[in-house]
Amino acid sequence: GNSVTQMEGPVTLSEEAFLTINCTYTATGYPSLFWYVQYPGEGLQLLLKATKADDKGSNKGFEATYRKETTSFHLEKGSVQVSDSAVYFCALRVGSSASKIIFGSGTRLSIRP
Amino acid sequence: NAGVTQTPKFRILKIGQSMTLQCTQDMNHNYMYWYRQDPGMGLKLIYYSVGAGITDKGEVPNGYNVSRSTTEDFPLRLELAAPSQTSVYFCASSPGQGPDNEQFFGPGTRLTVL
Repeated sequence: GNSVTQMEGPVTLSEEAFLTINCTYTATGYPSLFWYVQYPGEGLQLLLKATKADDKGSNKGFEATYRKETTSFHLEKGSVQVSDSAVYFCALRVGSSASKIIFGSGTRLSIRP
Repeated sequence: NAGVTQTPKFRILKIGQSMTLQCTQDMNHNYMYWYRQDPGMGLKLIYYSVGAGITDKGEVPNGYNVSRSTTEDFPLRLELAAPSQTSVYFCASSPGQGPDNEQFFGPGTRLTVL
């Protein structure tokens, strides 16, 4: 079946540190991959996406590359800020059906000043 | 635009009570969704709708009902609350389906059933 496994949190880093949050997936077919972010007290927001192998999604200094050979979509940022503190969700979508988005369990990130 | 709004933000129910979680979007989106998120778990789809008058079950529909009488509103009904329904509930909407149609989420409703 389809599933998403992401790095367990919480992750605590100092400001300006390098961030990696690991995400791997299993899927039938050719999924699209997403990272969502949830800031405190808010709903999930789409952070970035990639729809085919070797695509790189990027937004707000975050990047993730769709790696078909390793079935991964790791989230990276070169220098994190306190404002990046949030919960990050990796997700995949198989096909175009509205019911087919699979979410990971979320990784809580805290950034120390 | 307010986007997707949900009420209430928090609620405590006793076993067997019923309630309706409200969800409204002002983006004229055809597609709307209800998810639940249990502690340490990803979001699971409860019900979704592809337009007014049309609803369908997601992955975990048991114990819930929905209706979609207007484009804007997609309420979720719990008829006989059970402790297993303690969770955070998120409503979302999108203009269409497929990977190019972003889902917009509400801030969530935290429900506790005691």
